[in-house]
Amino acid sequence: DIQMTQSPSSLSASVGDRVTITCRASQSVGIFLNWYQQKPGKAPNLLIYGASSLQTGVPSRFSGSGSGTDFTLTISTLEREDFATYYCQQSYSTLWTFGRGTRVELK
Amino acid sequence: QVQLVQSGAEVKKPGASVKVSCKPRGYTFTDYYIHWVRQAPGQGLEWMGRINPDSGDTNYARKFQGRVTMNTDTSGSTAYLDLSRLSSDDTGVYFCARGGISDCDYWGQGTLVTVSS
Repeated sequence: DIQMTQSPSSLSASVGDRVTITCRASQSVGIFLNWYQQKPGKAPNLLIYGASSLQTGVPSRFSGSGSGTDFTLTISTLEREDFATYYCQQSYSTLWTFGRGTRVELK
Repeated sequence: QVQLVQSGAEVKKPGASVKVSCKPRGYTFTDYYIHWVRQAPGQGLEWMGRINPDSGDTNYARKFQGRVTMNTDTSGSTAYLDLSRLSSDDTGVYFCARGGISDCDYWGQGTLVTVSS
């Protein structure tokens, strides 16, 4: 199975900060890489699909980049509602896998 | 508007089985995969598998093979997750999600399954 490794596992940031989360795949996944946001007690929400395409309705402060094995999710200017956990997920393989998540906390 | 409505919370004893349902609304049921994702308490997301409601074809994560069954009732437009031989490690929230070409764009509200003696 393709392993997805996210870093960091958690980070502390302030409103207005620029935040970057990385995700590395154990083998190439092309651009079959998605990012989800999850808030406590809620279902995940798709932010980015195809490594860099913004899902409809998602604010433009979110962006994704990368291909192959290395990917990045960037929040350009952190807002209060962005404090949540973020997951990457590969859909290159028939058997999908998620990263272990990155928790973004208020500093 | 697309919604996926899941069945209510379940409490099961170790060794038992659980069946969770997922009823999508607002789109043609057979046009999209249904994926199942599990989340243990305080832990991350774990992909369990998917089913093509049109063909009935399934793909299961290796961890659950032999213990999981996903099926659909196309007449009732409902998807089901069946997990057998439950242990306390199976306690968690189970989500269904609509699968696009390579992502999950709409999710159910989650179903809490508690396994306890």
